[in-house]
Amino acid sequence: SQTIHQWPATLVQPVGSPLSLECTVEGTSNPNLYWYRQAAGRGLQLLFYSVGIGQISSEVPQNLSASRPQDRQFILSSKKLLLSDSGFYLCAWSLGNTEAFFGQGTRLTVV
Amino acid sequence: GQNIDQPTEMTATEGAIVQINCTYQTSGFNGLFWYQQHAGEAPTFLSYNVLDGLEEKGRFSSFLSRSKGYSYLLLKELQMKDSASYLCAVRDYPENTPLVFGKGTRLSVIA
Repeated sequence: SQTIHQWPATLVQPVGSPLSLECTVEGTSNPNLYWYRQAAGRGLQLLFYSVGIGQISSEVPQNLSASRPQDRQFILSSKKLLLSDSGFYLCAWSLGNTEAFFGQGTRLTVV
Repeated sequence: GQNIDQPTEMTATEGAIVQINCTYQTSGFNGLFWYQQHAGEAPTFLSYNVLDGLEEKGRFSSFLSRSKGYSYLLLKELQMKDSASYLCAVRDYPENTPLVFGKGTRLSVIA
């Protein structure tokens, strides 16, 4: 069966510090991978998605970037965090037109 | 672009039936999804509709009318554990397009 791992679960980072969140999927090949962010009391905002290694589509221009160095690995990064980057970050995967499955999420607080 | 609307909050009584509506406007349509999200947790998949009609899964059912751009999630025999946010999401064409989410409906089940 397929599983998705996302870490860390909680993160507190100072303004201006770098960020790296990692997500890996097991039990499937060539998944579509997504990064979403959910601000407090808000809906899920799509940040990046990838349909294959090295293929990244950005939905929202900001100081975040994403990379897919391996088929089942998706990384969200920032060189310098802003206060507005605080939120609940969710990695997800899907195959074709099927439903998306989410990782446990990372709650990021920028202080 | 896409626009997805659902009520912000609803309250219902334990044991009752509740219907959560979702309306959407998309340039193309490739499926509608419902997710449940408990506070502080990641969304979990509930149902998928791509053709008009009702899909039933135990206590949960989802209905779709593509011509009206309308869906609803029906929860029967409400339990306290059903208190959560319910997210409506739509997929556009082509295949592999990411899900776009509404802001969610927060359901409170009271005794």
